[in-house]
Amino acid sequence: QVQLQESGPGLVKPSETLSLTCTVSGGSIRSSYWSWIRQPPRKGLQWIGYIHYTGSTNYNPSLKSRVTISVNTSKNQFSLRLNSVTAADTAVYYCASGGDSWFDPWGQGTLVTVSS
Amino acid sequence: AIQLTQSPSSLSASVGDRVTITCRASQGITSDLAWYQQKPGKSPKLLIYDASSLESGLPSRFSGSGSGTDFTLTISSLQPEDFATYYCQQFNSYPLTFGGGTKVEIK
Repeated sequence: QVQLQESGPGLVKPSETLSLTCTVSGGSIRSSYWSWIRQPPRKGLQWIGYIHYTGSTNYNPSLKSRVTISVNTSKNQFSLRLNSVTAADTAVYYCASGGDSWFDPWGQGTLVTVSS
Repeated sequence: AIQLTQSPSSLSASVGDRVTITCRASQGITSDLAWYQQKPGKSPKLLIYDASSLESGLPSRFSGSGSGTDFTLTISSLQPEDFATYYCQQFNSYPLTFGGGTKVEIK
């Protein structure tokens, strides 16, 4: 079965760029849409955007100006870049399979804190 | 963006109780709705998709219903492992959005 694992720095300075990678195992990244979702501490879920293995993307308009999602099919990975971060971007970031409907499965999530 | 309003935001219930959570969409979304369960420190887990289809392998005490703007998630007999936060999510239009969550606590 497909499993996802997020990786990347847990601490990012304000105004810098948050970069995370999601590694897909147990299946091919060429089989689906792939999304990033975040959850600020003690708050709800926000969809950030998706990428299809063909490279097509769709971003949440609230973050669109700062977000880039890319895919590396040879490594079975997709990545998130969020620039000009502030404390409001502190959250647990999840990668998940899906983006054209429901999300399943999800990665375990990684906490990214924005602080100097 | 389509807003999803869940109610209640929290509830206390006992083992064996029947629990109903509602999710109301700000505009019609046909049956394009999913439900998730999230336990503390864990990622959300898909329960229901297409408003009423139970994810494979999950117990039949979970059920979903509704279409258009009003949806419900029902747990027919609450079990100890069901104490968690539940979220609805719409996939009718972009951006994909989630409800604010309903925390189910032990009474």
